[in-house]
Amino acid sequence: LAKTTQPISMDSYEGQEVNITCSHNNIATNDYITWYQQFPSQGPRFIIQGYKTKVTNEVASLFIPADRKSSTLSLPRVSLSDTAVYYCLVGEALTSGTYKYIFGTGTRLKVLA
Amino acid sequence: ETGVTQSPTHLIKTRGQQVTLRCSSQSGHNTVSWYQQALGQGPQFIFQYYREEENGRGNFPPRFSGLQFPNYSSELNVNALELDDSALYLCASSLKGREFEQYFGPGTRLTVT
Repeated sequence: LAKTTQPISMDSYEGQEVNITCSHNNIATNDYITWYQQFPSQGPRFIIQGYKTKVTNEVASLFIPADRKSSTLSLPRVSLSDTAVYYCLVGEALTSGTYKYIFGTGTRLKVLA
Repeated sequence: ETGVTQSPTHLIKTRGQQVTLRCSSQSGHNTVSWYQQALGQGPQFIFQYYREEENGRGNFPPRFSGLQFPNYSSELNVNALELDDSALYLCASSLKGREFEQYFGPGTRLTVT
């Protein structure tokens, strides 16, 4: 299962676009990439999921290059309430029909006024 | 729509004891996963259940076991508690076929003394 690496922390200002990159060099064919947001004393919250190319929803975009060895979460026009820890998750669907998941160490995003 | 709930919120146990943590899945979700999150770390996958059977497991010893009930609620049991078991235990539910889009509960904070 692919090991993930993320920057430990990032600072941004309100209204800016924030891009957080996750490296997963050993990603396998059956692995999917998902991003979660976690506030203190809460469980992670699903943001977006993708396999390759670009995925966009109402809160974020996810860019995955052709080699899939990295992924970038893009948050448009962040606000103070986006201050949180962001995790990338690589989930593997095994041929046995079972699943495994590995979270990155997380990126602590601080949005400044 | 009812979200994922977990009980208890906090728990203190002594080394060597056994503990049972409980989780109720989001309504309509038939798959449940458990994670251990140490302070300052990303969640670590323990196992996943579907149709009352284990459907994937991370690198945790057999003293970590689980159950899923017909109503999709779940239990995590940990025997012979060790000090390093102190952590936030998270439960997440999902739909079969959308296992990577997980919805997390608030967690149970376990302290082992």
